[in-house]
Order: sequence, then structure tokens, then C-alpha cells
Amino acid sequence: ETGVTQSPTHLIKTRGQQVTLRCSSQSGHNTVSWYQQALGQGPQFIFQYYREEENGRGNFPPRFSGLQFPNYSSELNVNALELDDSALYLCASSPGSFLSPYEQYFGPGTRLTVT
Amino acid sequence: QKEVEQDPGPLSVPEGAIVSLNCTYSNSAFQYFMWYRQYSRKGPELLMYTYSSGNKEDGRFTAQVDKSSKYISLFIRDSQPSDSATYLCAMRGYSGAGSYQLTFGKGTKLSVIP
Repeated sequence: ETGVTQSPTHLIKTRGQQVTLRCSSQSGHNTVSWYQQALGQGPQFIFQYYREEENGRGNFPPRFSGLQFPNYSSELNVNALELDDSALYLCASSPGSFLSPYEQYFGPGTRLTVT
Repeated sequence: QKEVEQDPGPLSVPEGAIVSLNCTYSNSAFQYFMWYRQYSRKGPELLMYTYSSGNKEDGRFTAQVDKSSKYISLFIRDSQPSDSATYLCAMRGYSGAGSYQLTFGKGTKLSVIP
């Protein structure tokens, strides 16, 4: 059992709206990464937070932003939603920024549908 | 050219068959090479990882990396219906400021028919 939880499980939003997705990291993990997985595609790296600071970002526009809290839970915020933002959003936590593969665990994801 | 290429399939095999899944990559800076399994409506779970060229075996699974050809493979022996899932290859690269990111292939959807 990985211990990474995400909420909500799924939601539906309208184009132009804003959305906040939440992730609770596994106990003892201070690093969280967020990924976007479109249907039929592999996950794409959005950004990573280490000890409440963003320290890595993929090729996503600024309307994708995040927060990490002192208890290492995390939020992904997306503004001005577009139809192409419809995807499964995954968070993954690990105990350090150097990302040993065997130490990173994914949550079940939040499925976002933008209409 | 995408950094990681993976044939999305779908791939359908009879129970007991040997399955071969493959990925190619273009970035020589990639370090760890990983295979994830993703069941429908679930997050990816790490199956195997390797750092260097060569083979690594774990039960029915064998991961193979050829860095000179930029080619990785996952073999599944004696495939079972419970192996039916999407298999994602992933590679770790440096994304700056002391952080690393995973670059995934598209995933291959595998069905093992009883």
C-alpha cells in the first residue's frame, strides 16, 4: 500500500473555470511531483515541490501552479481551463528530491473532464 | 522526435506466452530506466528499474537495457490474465535545481487471454 491519496476522484468543470486538486503524500515524504496523463498517453511531468518550494517544472504554462504545505500535502491549481486539460492528474511522493525510482509512489489520480 | 517512443499496441497474447515490450529513447542523459504497470483507473506502480546496461530479473519479469542502442525491453514469462494492464516505460532525467523528472512512453496495453 503506497499511502498516497488524491482528491477528488473525478470532477467535471467548464472551460474557463479554475480547479484545485489535492494530494496527501506518504508519511515521511517531503517531495511531491505532479503529472498529467491524457487518454492513451503516458504521464507528463508538470512540476515538483521539495520542502514547499517548486524546484523543477516541465513544459506547462503558468496557469498550472502548485503549493506544498508544511505537512507536505500538496495542491495543483489550474486556471482558465481548456478542453485539452481533460486528463488524469497524478501526484507522486518521494522521501527526497533526488528521486530514487524505488522510493517514488504514485497516487490513484484525479480524473478531470473539461466541457 | 519524442524523447521516448513506445508502441501503444494493443497487444493480445494467450495465457502462458512470453511477452516482449520495448521502448527506444533519444536522450543520452537519461539514467534510471523503469517499467511501470498501470491498471485501469489506477496510478502507475513500479515494476522494475535498472541503472546500467544489461539484464535484471525479478520472478517472471526481466528488464533489459542497451544504452549503446538506446533501447530497453521488458519480458514477461508465463504471462497470466492478471498481467493484463498498460505497461509504461520511464526514464529519469535531470530537470534542474536539484530535481529529477520521469519521462514516460505512451504505454503498451497488454491483454492476456485465458
